[in-house]
Amino acid sequence: AQSVTQLGSHVSVSEGALVLLRCNYSSSVPPYLFWYVQYPNQGLQLLLKYTSAATLVKGINGFEAEFKKSETSFHLTKPSAHMSDAAEYFCAVSHTGTASKLTFGTGTRLQVTL
Amino acid sequence: GAVVSQHPSWVICKSGTSVKIECRSLDFQATTMFWYRQFPKQSLMLMATSNEGSKATYEQGVEKDKFLINHASLTLSTLTVTSAHPEDSSFYICSARVRSGTGDTEAFFGQGTRLTVV
Repeated sequence: AQSVTQLGSHVSVSEGALVLLRCNYSSSVPPYLFWYVQYPNQGLQLLLKYTSAATLVKGINGFEAEFKKSETSFHLTKPSAHMSDAAEYFCAVSHTGTASKLTFGTGTRLQVTL
Repeated sequence: GAVVSQHPSWVICKSGTSVKIECRSLDFQATTMFWYRQFPKQSLMLMATSNEGSKATYEQGVEKDKFLINHASLTLSTLTVTSAHPEDSSFYICSARVRSGTGDTEAFFGQGTRLTVV
């Protein structure tokens, strides 16, 4: 069985501040981990994914995430928030391949203020 | 990236009626599509895996006779909620799996359908 836990359903940061969205996973086998972003009335868009290669994964729009096995974490970060980053972010895990069945977290809504 | 179009984006129906949701891959062929459901403040939960030309595989606890999935072509999968009830009100979202030139695969998502049963 596998699961992900996203701490904080709502995160608010100032424009230019560091963004940190937390994700912890549970998996009985080596996991594949993903971060998706969803803008209002749009589908989910892949930000980045971890597939057992480099533990520090760089994604689109300046986001990156670090896989830490000892902490079972895959937190998403961005050095400087932009207003356009305001969206819902989902962490997901898969154990059978890079785009097989995904188990999602509950999502974190990121608010960016001036 | 590949585009997945889901229609309608929202629908309101009366209790007891059926509702069909379409998921189309616009610029690629998708042999496998996934249907998810998301209740307010909860995770997206996988309902079923839809394979072109064969029966869908349902997750445990999902009623296959209530949630009919058809994947008749490589670009279209449909989800029909039969005899809908208020408890079926939810956000339904599909995704299509695409294999890239490197052999890797990625899932592309539709924009979702908000179903409200009154």
